[in-house]
Amino acid sequence: GDSVTQMEGPVTLSEEAFLTINCTYTATGYPSLFWYVQYPGEGLQLLLKATKADDKGSNKGFEATYRKETTSFHLEKGSVQVSDSAVYFCALTGGGGTSYGKLTFGQGTILTVHP
Amino acid sequence: GAVVSQHPSRVICKSGTSVKIECRSLDFQATTMFWYRQFPKQSLMLMATSNEGSKATYEQGVEKDKFLINHASLTLSTLTVTSAHPEDSSFYICSASGGLAGVETQYFGPGTRLLVL
Repeated sequence: GDSVTQMEGPVTLSEEAFLTINCTYTATGYPSLFWYVQYPGEGLQLLLKATKADDKGSNKGFEATYRKETTSFHLEKGSVQVSDSAVYFCALTGGGGTSYGKLTFGQGTILTVHP
Repeated sequence: GAVVSQHPSRVICKSGTSVKIECRSLDFQATTMFWYRQFPKQSLMLMATSNEGSKATYEQGVEKDKFLINHASLTLSTLTVTSAHPEDSSFYICSASGGLAGVETQYFGPGTRLLVL
């Protein structure tokens, strides 16, 4: 079946540091890829997405590129802020191995940014 | 756009009682709604998928008689935890798809924290 693997956390950075959170996936077919962010005590918010190979999703300074050859969708940000502290989830859907529209999540990566 | 609300945000109940959680898509018609459960510091576990007017499809290991899901309209789905027990305490999150972003993009509610005493 479909699966998503994220780099283990927690990740701790100083403000203005560069962020990379690795995400790789296994899926049949042609999945769409997502990054969701969960702030403390809240539900998930869609951060960005990409629906086909070589697409780049971007939002709020975060970027991720759909790399089919390496089955990866790494999240990057050039300069993190304290307000970026949250849990980040990589996810996919539409891989073909499960019901259409169902999301398969990675385990989540906790990011803490210090001033 | 694409706002999903949940009510209540937090509920405490006694063991053996039933609790109903509402999930509403406020500005779009949700053809499909999903219910997840999240344990502390863990990822989301899909419980069931519901389409408006149809019976919910439950994931393996989820008791459909315990977690009753109703998707009566394109903007409302409810999850009822029947005869709740302390092990049902968790963070329940719903999501909805079918907005302008397409059926593959899910928009999540803020979650409901359930504590069963």
